Amino acid sequence: QQPVQSPQAVILREGEDAVINCSSSKALYSVHWYRQKHGEAPVFLMILLKGGEQKGHEKISASFNEKKQQSSLYLTASQLSYSGTYFCGTEGNYGGATNKLIFGTGTLLAVQP
Amino acid sequence: DSGVTQTPKHLITATGQRVTLRCSPRSGDLSVYWYQQSLDQGLQFLIQYYNGEERAKGNILERFSAQQFPDLHSELNLSSLELGDSALYFCASSPRAGPVDEQFFGPGTRLTVL
Repeated sequence: QQPVQSPQAVILREGEDAVINCSSSKALYSVHWYRQKHGEAPVFLMILLKGGEQKGHEKISASFNEKKQQSSLYLTASQLSYSGTYFCGTEGNYGGATNKLIFGTGTLLAVQP
Repeated sequence: DSGVTQTPKHLITATGQRVTLRCSPRSGDLSVYWYQQSLDQGLQFLIQYYNGEERAKGNILERFSAQQFPDLHSELNLSSLELGDSALYFCASSPRAGPVDEQFFGPGTRLTVL
């Protein structure tokens, strides 16, 4: 049930772009993205809902392919502050139980000067 | 600062003991979620409460229990502690019942079981 994230880790130079993918084997109702810096709490980035609605920060963009149960987070013109571990959380029909997020194992992003 | 508070920040205890972690949600939020994050692991959903009622359950062990009080603060009780229970425990809150809102995470409680 746990979504699979790829890549596991990525190193960028400032200004470069990156894409982080999240894939589930279950039909999804929504996908959530969070960033966690070392030793800190996760911070919300974006929610993508079935049907196309999105809520999130203006500088973050993401897509949700409902048919393929996949989501991608696009980080453009990366900054040092983008460094951290990115988690996708998926809400789906997990044996009849909804209302819970299952988080992936994370993608470690390091942005270097 | 997310507005979610958790106490204590650190907890060191021995195997077999029982501990209680406390969480106060953001003002106005009715949902509280508990997560466990072990070393090198992602966030494992444990349980959700909405306005005092259990709303959703994850892979929460039978040794663990939680509740949400009338003032909406929540407590996570961990008993018969094992070494493997050492982890960072986060609570998060959101305004509504379903996961359609962003969740605001507290700073976490780091539990070390010796």
